Amino acid sequence: EDQVTQSPEALRLQEGESSSLNCSYTVSGLRGLFWYRQDPGKGPEFLFTLYSAGEEKEKERLKATLTKKESFLHITAPKPEDSATYLCAVQDRYGGSQGNLIFGKGTKLSVKP
Amino acid sequence: EPEVTQTPSHQVTQMGQEVILRCVPISNHLYFYWYRQILGQKVEFLVSFYNNEISEKSEIFDDQFSVERPDGSNFTLKIRSTKLEDSAMYFCASSVGTSGSREQYFGPGTRLTVT
Repeated sequence: EDQVTQSPEALRLQEGESSSLNCSYTVSGLRGLFWYRQDPGKGPEFLFTLYSAGEEKEKERLKATLTKKESFLHITAPKPEDSATYLCAVQDRYGGSQGNLIFGKGTKLSVKP
Repeated sequence: EPEVTQTPSHQVTQMGQEVILRCVPISNHLYFYWYRQILGQKVEFLVSFYNNEISEKSEIFDDQFSVERPDGSNFTLKIRSTKLEDSAMYFCASSVGTSGSREQYFGPGTRLTVT
């Protein structure tokens, strides 16, 4: 069964304090791994897609990396506006024919000024 | 920048009533999805739709649920007889395709409250 586990569940940082969020996954074959940001009461906002181990993507203070079993979302010098829940999702190559996403529970990030 | 839109933002209904949730996907996208998120829980896949038919559905998507693309722009989710446990945020998503750009873009959601 496909599974996505994110840790920690919650993370509190001081502004400027860099850290990493983890996403461990189990799939028959990875078609893609996705990171989303979700603000309270809003829909997930797309951040990154990673397709193969060793791949890295960057956007402003965020950098996503991928290995064969997990992905990390590194946050460098975060600001209060980075506070949100970060969701990891995978597509199983052998699962859904149209690529339905399997989500983790998310990591709730709070950045204090 | 194109975005997925959903209406209404909040729907309150009584148990046993029918509800229709509406979505306008991004105009050049070909694949459409519905997900739901019960408060405090993970986002769960309901159904995917391509070429005017259901491509895949989850165990949640039983006979009480149906989807339709009534015209060239709207994509709807109907719940025939709502239950208390249907209370959740419902998200519509769309993507260009699964072979190239696979990322799915989500709408802001409809909060469904069943009383």
